[in-house]
Formats: sequence, C-alpha cells, structure tokens
Amino acid sequence: GENVEQHPSTLSVQEGDSAVIKCTYSDSASNYFPWYKQELGKRPQLIIDIRSNVGEKKDQRIAVTLNKTAKHFSLHITETQPEDSAVYFCAASVGGTSYGKLTFGQGTILTVHP
Amino acid sequence: KAGVTQTPRYLIKTRGQQVTLSCSPISGHRSVSWYQQTPGQGLQFLFEYFSETQRNKGNFPGRFSGRQFSNSRSEMNVSTLELGDSALYLCASTPGGSGANVLTFGAGSRLTVL
Repeated sequence: GENVEQHPSTLSVQEGDSAVIKCTYSDSASNYFPWYKQELGKRPQLIIDIRSNVGEKKDQRIAVTLNKTAKHFSLHITETQPEDSAVYFCAASVGGTSYGKLTFGQGTILTVHP
Repeated sequence: KAGVTQTPRYLIKTRGQQVTLSCSPISGHRSVSWYQQTPGQGLQFLFEYFSETQRNKGNFPGRFSGRQFSNSRSEMNVSTLELGDSALYLCASTPGGSGANVLTFGAGSRLTVL
C-alpha cells in the first residue's frame, strides 16, 4: 500500500522566516496531495492541496510543489507568523473510488517564535 | 452549513467493553471516512463508506467495524476494547464524486480505555 514519509518531524523558525516541509510517497498511482494543519486540541483543517496534473499551487503565503518523477511534494510557508504554529500533515490519495482514503505522513510540529 | 458532527466528544471505557461512535457528515456529502489518531502512529485510515457500502478498509483488526445509514450518517464500533485503542477517532466527509476527495474533519471523539 501507499507509504508517505514526512520531514522534518519538528521545525522551529523565527517570525518572518520561511518554513519548508517535505514529503515523499511510494504509490505512483497517487494523484491527490493535500496538506492539513492541526492546532492543539483542534481538528485537522485543509490548508492547500494539489493534484498530479499541476506542478505548483499558491495561496497567499502558502505554496505546494509536486515532483511526480521523484514522488515528492513540499509545503512552503513564507513570512511565518506565530499563528502558523501547529502540526502540519501531508497526505496522498489515489482518488478514483477511494474518495475518503488518505495516507498521512507522520506530521511536522512547526513552532514560530515571535 | 453545518460541519461534520461527532458524538460523543469524550468517553471513558474499561478494557473488554465496546464502544459506538457516531458521525453526521456535511449535508449532501455521501462519503464518510474514519481515522484513528494517536501520538505514536499519527493519523491512520480505518474505513470509508459511500452510499451505505464500505469502499475501503485500513489495516485494523476485525474488532473495528462500521456502518453507514441511508441518510449518510455513520457509526463505528470497537468491541473488546484494549488499552491501545485509546485515541482520538476522527470522522471526515467528502462529496464522493469523481475527484472530490477533499476531506472535512469533525472535532473527533476522544476515547480513553482504562
């Protein structure tokens, strides 16, 4: 089955710096790659996603890049703010008949210091 | 538009007991998925239901089961509880159409097994 590796497990940055989280996946059939943010005690919330027919997607300070050949994708957060502090999860899905089946990475604890 | 609703939010059980958790998806969403979240294992897929049929199942023992009703509401059941079943159980819904695997999570049911 699909396996998703996520690095780093913890990331500490100063406010205003950029943060990059990287994930690799194993199943070449995967075609949907979402990123979720989970604040302490809260539910995971989708922050950005990308499909395999796109190489990059941006939404304000957040961007995701996908390299299908290398089977890896990355989350980039620019101009980080203290409220960006949370656990970030990458995930991969084959889609199709697997609407709700995501394989998650182990998560990255991001801490943004004021 | 109401989000994904899970009940109960917290519960405490003892080993050997069974538990039933409930999930009401976003109105119009036909796919409901369940995930187990633990500090050690992260977010792991349990199963997915679409139109009252189980479409996918994760790598969990048969003690974990679920069902979906005609109104798309779903329940999951864990029998013969073990200490290791202590976790946050998250439900997520998605419209279920082709390419529509954007998951919206509920707040979760936190199960503690003593």
